[in-house]
Amino acid sequence: NAGVTQTPKFQVLKTGQSMTLQCAQDMNHNSMYWYRQDPGMGLRLIYYSASEGTTDKGEVPNGYNVSRLNKREFSLRLESAAPSQTSVYFCASSATGGTGYTFGSGTRLTVV
Amino acid sequence: AQSVTQPDIHITVSEGASLELRCNYSYGATPYLFWYVQSPGQGLQLLLKYFSGDTLVQGIKGFEAEFKRSQSSFNLRKPSVHWSDAAEYFCAVGVSAGGTSYGKLTFGQGTILTVHP
Repeated sequence: NAGVTQTPKFQVLKTGQSMTLQCAQDMNHNSMYWYRQDPGMGLRLIYYSASEGTTDKGEVPNGYNVSRLNKREFSLRLESAAPSQTSVYFCASSATGGTGYTFGSGTRLTVV
Repeated sequence: AQSVTQPDIHITVSEGASLELRCNYSYGATPYLFWYVQSPGQGLQLLLKYFSGDTLVQGIKGFEAEFKRSQSSFNLRKPSVHWSDAAEYFCAVGVSAGGTSYGKLTFGQGTILTVHP
């Protein structure tokens, strides 16, 4: 089925470890996004990529890096995980202009 | 920058009762407006969206929302709630073409809906 695929679904890290969250979409969307969801705070934008070859910071970029590998794939990297990065991470994609987002099923990350 | 406020953190209704979830936004021009629903442990599903035109928007699962520019609101309604509607609901605002944040969505804090039998 067409959509947005995120891996892994669950991950536990120790403080200071690094990891990369993977995201791929097969809808030929130009734009891709990484959000984090925390209780009572809704979804907050970490980074986004308006089109292949471009990335830009969102509301909460500190501690993260991203790579738009090609049109399909957009990865999120935590170089040195901290407990404050415990969250549920969602990847999304959209046609240009964000008029219709499709979300992945999320990655639940715990940093101990 | 745009912002979204959902004043109600948690709402409880009885099955069969009507529902209204409130959403207020702040944005200088006509925004794109969305409602999403999230079941526990799941991703977000789009219920409906408003871009322009008719201010009363119909969505999936029997939901509708009305854009009121004068009140900067985009409230979600359903005439008769079913137990399966229990979930968390998010309002979001996007910037229309030409805006500096074109394409990015800003989400409200969410409203948790509990449905009593």
